[in-house]
This record gives sequence, structure tokens and C-alpha cells, in this order.
Amino acid sequence: DTAVSQTPKYLVTQMGNDKSIKCEQNLGHDTMYWYKQDSKKFLKIMFSYNNKELIINETVPNRFSPKSPDKAHLNLHINSLELGDSAVYFCASSHISYEQYFGPGTRLTVT
Amino acid sequence: RKEVEQDPGPFNVPEGATVAFNCTYSNSASQSFFWYRQDCRKEPKLLMSVYSSGNEDGRFTAQLNRASQYISLLIRDSKLSDSATYLCVVTTGTGGFKTIFGAGTRLFVKA
Repeated sequence: DTAVSQTPKYLVTQMGNDKSIKCEQNLGHDTMYWYKQDSKKFLKIMFSYNNKELIINETVPNRFSPKSPDKAHLNLHINSLELGDSAVYFCASSHISYEQYFGPGTRLTVT
Repeated sequence: RKEVEQDPGPFNVPEGATVAFNCTYSNSASQSFFWYRQDCRKEPKLLMSVYSSGNEDGRFTAQLNRASQYISLLIRDSKLSDSATYLCVVTTGTGGFKTIFGAGTRLFVKA
């Protein structure tokens, strides 16, 4: 059974488009996260959600809008995609402050 | 100063070698500490949590020195399969929701 799943795994799209990435966890965790890993492989937190509430927003452009319909899901919608948005996006989940479990990542390429 | 700093690497070691990774963090109020491992084009996976008392898991030993704000990971008897990027991770902020990853140290173990 997949603990943290993301869809799609690959996403190729043009500048200016809007796209969404979905994340689901079946671990019963109360906290979910979105990370961006850029071409230099640096992993940076974007958002943290605890019990469906936004806790952390790390100065991410407001073109990025996370949505948590329930504790097991955290989706990421991106408007007006830019070249600089190309990266791997990882979803993760945990109990607060405990180890995080990551999804397999979504490789986004903006052309 | 970066919030979490690691040895820049890469480390190139022969099989059987002992290798040590170092990490420092800037926020003295940080709550939890971890080492993660990331293989090429894969998601980060928890290697071990780090406690002030130190902890060991087979060939891996992790240490935390809160006074010096320093975390270490020691790998003994390196295997080819240990080749990966090792990420130092710290949680901070209210409730420990903010997770900060170091830039990672790449390890190559050669036969």
C-alpha cells in the first residue's frame, strides 16, 4: 500500500497555463506539506497544513494555492505557470514535528 | 547564515570506509532533528531521528549537541548501496511545523 501518493508523476505544460497536483496519505497523519526541489536539488518547504488548516506559508507567490479538503488530502494548484516553476514538487505527511513521509514527487516542466 | 548548513561534499570513499557528515543549525529553539537519505530522482526517506543521547542503528550513528547546535552522522563499513545524498533536517517554529532541510551532502562509495 502506498503511504503518500501524488498525481501526476510528470507534468509538462506551457507558460501561462494553470495546473494542479494532488496528494493523498493513508497514514492517519494530521500534518501535510508541500516542498519544492529545484534544479540545484535544494529542498524547500512551501506550505504546512495541520488538520486542514494552513500553518506555514513560506513566502510562496500567491499563484500557488494549496487546498486541503480533509486531513488525508493536500492539493496544490498553480496559476499562470512560469519557467521558474519548473522543479520537482514533493508532498509529505507526518504527525506534528515527527518524521515526515514523502510522496514520489511530481516533476513539473514548464516550456 | 543559512538556517541549516551541511558539509558541501561530495564525499568519495572506498567500500568499508567510515564517513562522517556534519551539520549545524542556527535556531537554538529548534525542536526535532533528523537525517534523511535521498537517492537520485527519488523522494527523501528517513534514515534516523537524532537525539541528545545519541542513537545507533546498525552501521549508522547519529549525535546531537544542542549547546553547539551541531548534528552528526557516522556511517561505518560503507557499502556501495550507501551512495546517496544525506540531508540534515531540523524542525522549528511554533509547534515544530517549519521543517528546514540542509542542502545535502552527496556520498559516492566506490568498489
